[in-house]
Amino acid sequence: EVQVLESGGGLEQPGGSLRLSCAASGLTFSVYAMSWVRQAPGKGLEWVSTISGSGATTYYADSVKGRFTISRDNSQNTLYLQMNSLRAEDTARYYCATVPGSYRQFDSWGQGTLVTVSS
Amino acid sequence: EIVMTQSPATLSVSPGERATLSCRASQSVYSNLAWYQQKPGQAPRLLIYGASTRATGIPVRFSGSGSGTEFTLTISSLQSEDSAVYYCQQYNDWPRTFGQGTKVEIK
Repeated sequence: EVQVLESGGGLEQPGGSLRLSCAASGLTFSVYAMSWVRQAPGKGLEWVSTISGSGATTYYADSVKGRFTISRDNSQNTLYLQMNSLRAEDTARYYCATVPGSYRQFDSWGQGTLVTVSS
Repeated sequence: EIVMTQSPATLSVSPGERATLSCRASQSVYSNLAWYQQKPGQAPRLLIYGASTRATGIPVRFSGSGSGTEFTLTISSLQSEDSAVYYCQQYNDWPRTFGQGTKVEIK
């Protein structure tokens, strides 16, 4: 069974930084692309970023481009999201999800980690 | 950016009745469409991918149809545990985009 577990969320001031982690198990990690999807309180789902299995290719939503960096460590089965220049509108629960070949649907989701940006 | 529009916003259905949810894309996404279910306080769960293929472990009462710009998720006989918000999502183009969701309530 595939499991993903996010961590690293918390309260941060505007302009600050946070690094989210996502530990995956039950799969051949390097074969899967991985994504981050967020959900602001009471709102819908918003795709944030996707990284290829090798880590060589990345995609970002315009809302985070230039501020967030997605990366992965395939030796540790771990996905990361470095979040810089945080804004109030980045407040959300951040979910990690597996993505099968050819960048398709979001298969398995973690329970998410809550990021709050506030002074 | 491909805009995904879901209707209705809220659907109230009696147990055992059929629920029909719609999703429209602003341009063709072919069959590159998924449906997710999200219950309160829980992570989203993949229901359907490729517009009509049920994900592993999803009950047969859930079915998806459509291609191009018009898609439908049907719950053939609504159960109490199906009360949730349902999202469609296209993966034909970047950025990946979701619909705003349809809330299914049990009447």
